Amino acid sequence: DIQMTQSPSSLSASVGDRVTITCQASQDISNYLNWYQQKSGKAPKLLIYDASNLETGVPLRFSGSGSGTDFTFTISSLQPEDFATYYCQQYESRELSFGGGTKVEI
Amino acid sequence: QVQLVESGGGVVQPGRSLRLSCVASGFTFNNFGMHWVRQAPGKGLQWVALIWYDGSNNYYADSVKGRFTISRDNSKNTVYLQMSRLRVEDTAAYYCARDRRGMGRAALDYWGQGTLVTVSS
Repeated sequence: DIQMTQSPSSLSASVGDRVTITCQASQDISNYLNWYQQKSGKAPKLLIYDASNLETGVPLRFSGSGSGTDFTFTISSLQPEDFATYYCQQYESRELSFGGGTKVEI
Repeated sequence: QVQLVESGGGVVQPGRSLRLSCVASGFTFNNFGMHWVRQAPGKGLQWVALIWYDGSNNYYADSVKGRFTISRDNSKNTVYLQMSRLRVEDTAAYYCARDRRGMGRAALDYWGQGTLVTVSS
């Protein structure tokens, strides 16, 4: 099984801050990585696919990068509506796995 | 617009069974793989199962293998999760999600609202 290690598990930031979350895979997953946002009580929402591609309709302040085992998710200028938990997810294997999540508090 | 609506959750005793359903609309259902993903209260996301677009292949998390069965009826635009020998640790919100491709290994681009399963004596 491919393990995904996400850090930090939580962070506190101010509106306008640049926020960075990292995700490390236990083996090479090429660019087979997605990022999701989940707000309290809601279903997850796809933000970034294939490590760096912005899903349609997602604001440009969100971005992703990386390949192999190390990946980064960035919010360039944090907005109040970005309060949420963010998850990475690999699909190199059909047995998917998610990172543990990063809770972003404003 | 794409919609996924889960149902079938509830309270069940350990060792019993439950079947979840997810009805899809707004897209050509038989072109896409479908997943079940769960989330225990206050915890992160855990992938449960995948079924290919035509139902020919299934994949399971080790924690549910041999107890859960994913299936689909393309004539009814519905994917199912039959859960047997339920354990307390299966308590979670269960989400169905669409895979962007027919055979998995892609993004989960649409999600249902989830259905809550509570396993308790």
